[in-house]
Amino acid sequence: GAVVSQHPSWVICKSGTSVKIECRSLDFQATTMFWYRQFPKQSLMLMATSNEGSKATYEQGVEKDKFLINHASLTLSTLTVTSAHPEDSSFYICSAPRGSLQETQYFGPGTRLLVL
Amino acid sequence: DAKTTQPPSMDCAEGRAANLPCNHSTISGNEYVYWYRQIHSQGPQYIIHGLKNNETNEMASLIITEDRKSSTLILPHATLRDTAVYYCIVRVAGQAGTALIFGKGTTLSVSS
Repeated sequence: GAVVSQHPSWVICKSGTSVKIECRSLDFQATTMFWYRQFPKQSLMLMATSNEGSKATYEQGVEKDKFLINHASLTLSTLTVTSAHPEDSSFYICSAPRGSLQETQYFGPGTRLLVL
Repeated sequence: DAKTTQPPSMDCAEGRAANLPCNHSTISGNEYVYWYRQIHSQGPQYIIHGLKNNETNEMASLIITEDRKSSTLILPHATLRDTAVYYCIVRVAGQAGTALIFGKGTTLSVSS
């Protein structure tokens, strides 16, 4: 069964609104989670690393004030796309490491965002 | 992480073995080979990983050459549901704070 969940699975919003996406690790704790973005026919691009109890680390070119990340607990990370615009329309995916050495990443099912 | 090279696409007939190659000639001694796949409109799925010995699980087998410069993922009896993009990634295990970096992968198309 799924070990990482995301909510919502898809969302349509108007330009200028904010959208929050939740990522939960099921039956395990994750002090670190990762957020990716994927445009059509492209590979996954890492956006940021979410750290429980501290600030997220953003990849170069990703606006931290636009993509707000909060790692509120050991099982929950949220990504808020603020003032969304059509160019933010994408497939957003989170992941969390698991295993005795945390060597394996488990991915959520993804959230498809469409900004009109 | 070391760079990997994969063919952009492969075809396979249903029921036959799918052999997906990956070159990682600059792999370091402490780096593992990981394979993930992404079915259309879903999140990536972990398949298997290995260091230097061949590995097998319920999904696939991983064959790593003795010099570790290349590997092959084997799906023994491919089904239509195995149609996906397959990613070969090399990285040091145990680095929980390090994300996976995805290349372009191999698009495997399984047909009946």
